[in-house]
Amino acid sequence: QKEVEQNSGPLSVPEGAIASLNCTYSDRGSQSFFWYRQYSGKSPELIMFIYSNGDKEDGRFTAQLNKASQYVSLLIRDSQPSDSATYLCAVNNNAGNMLTFGGGTRLMVKP
Amino acid sequence: DAGITQSPRYKITETGRQVTLMCHQTWSHSYMFWYRQDLGHGLRLIYYSAAADITDKGEVPDGYVVSRSKTENFPLTLESATRSQTSVYFCASSGLGHREQFFGPGTRLTVL
Repeated sequence: QKEVEQNSGPLSVPEGAIASLNCTYSDRGSQSFFWYRQYSGKSPELIMFIYSNGDKEDGRFTAQLNKASQYVSLLIRDSQPSDSATYLCAVNNNAGNMLTFGGGTRLMVKP
Repeated sequence: DAGITQSPRYKITETGRQVTLMCHQTWSHSYMFWYRQDLGHGLRLIYYSAAADITDKGEVPDGYVVSRSKTENFPLTLESATRSQTSVYFCASSGLGHREQFFGPGTRLTVL
């Protein structure tokens, strides 16, 4: 069983809609949670991190964390075609600075 | 002042040859990491380093060697390349007390 699970997608949403990306993790001791965006042929780029239960907003992005249910989600409001990418969820379980990555969800935003 | 750089960006080599991928960061980050990314496997950790002269194995270390004599550099060597090592390799770094990792642009390696 993978430690960090994501639906591989593709998740297809129309332009202007809200895209909801989900991630579950198995280690209850996990403390830090990260969302990376990766465009095709490019390297992962950090877009959000969250440490505490609840919501954290940054522009059009909102990260949501529920430690009791062991899931973290990323909402993208007013989705744009430029948001089309693979989104990677990563979790730190206090093993130094190591992150465990999910397999990623491919998001397609259609004009 | 590019932050974290990797070289070469593309490399084609033959089975059995030694190949070294370079990674350099200008942030003085304590931690550095090497990942490979393959379709169907996502990002897999090869080796990591918590500081100069401190390295440790990740999930898939076989066939790879690392060293870290200086904080800013973390080279990855394939001692005898195999076709299964054809992949995209990413170097990443993170600062002490900060869990977020920042990635280099990647090296696309093809082993013929």
